[in-house]
Amino acid sequence: GAVVSQHPSWVICKSGTSVKIECRSLDFQATTMFWYRQFPKQSLMLMATSNEGSKATYEQGVEKDKFLINHASLTLSTLTVTSAHPEDSSFYICSATTTGINQPQHFGDGTRLSIL
Amino acid sequence: GNSVTQMEGPVTLSEEAFLTINCTYTATGYPSLFWYVQYPGEGLQLLLKATKADDKGSNKGFEATYRKETTSFHLEKGSVQVSDSAVYFCALTLVSGTDKLIFGTGTRLQVFP
Repeated sequence: GAVVSQHPSWVICKSGTSVKIECRSLDFQATTMFWYRQFPKQSLMLMATSNEGSKATYEQGVEKDKFLINHASLTLSTLTVTSAHPEDSSFYICSATTTGINQPQHFGDGTRLSIL
Repeated sequence: GNSVTQMEGPVTLSEEAFLTINCTYTATGYPSLFWYVQYPGEGLQLLLKATKADDKGSNKGFEATYRKETTSFHLEKGSVQVSDSAVYFCALTLVSGTDKLIFGTGTRLQVFP
């Protein structure tokens, strides 16, 4: 079945550094990718939607200069958390889908980000 | 607006018990409905889906029927196993796959032997 690989799975870094998370579709063309944030024991909050070759569309309240999203190819999207601070610590999950009727979203395994 | 409401958990069951997790939705238009499962420390996996009224999605012994008249998509399983312990999310999209998923808050299921 369709596979989405997310890397890294866990990252710990100092406050003020930037962290890049990669999301790859391994066996299909991901025309659209989504980035979610999940706080402990809560649901997923959509941060942004990115279509290959276009600028990402951010949800209300999500800082686009803080969370940089690049979707330059049909198999890769990246989320960069710039100048990360402890409040950015969270579980980040990507999903990918392709064009077509009733195509589901396929999720990566998530990245746990801890900012010290 | 569009939203999904799930029963609050945790749901605690003994192995082989019957499971129901309630899910209702509010949507403009005709949504597609999904159940996703999240095991500890992992991302989400699609469990089942239904794209139109009266459709029944099923997978791994789980099933859910798209009920337009009650705007519901309740998840059921006849006999749960310890390995079913996870968080279950009900979700909808208005355009399957190409539109954003709107998730419920999730329901944690704990199954004990």
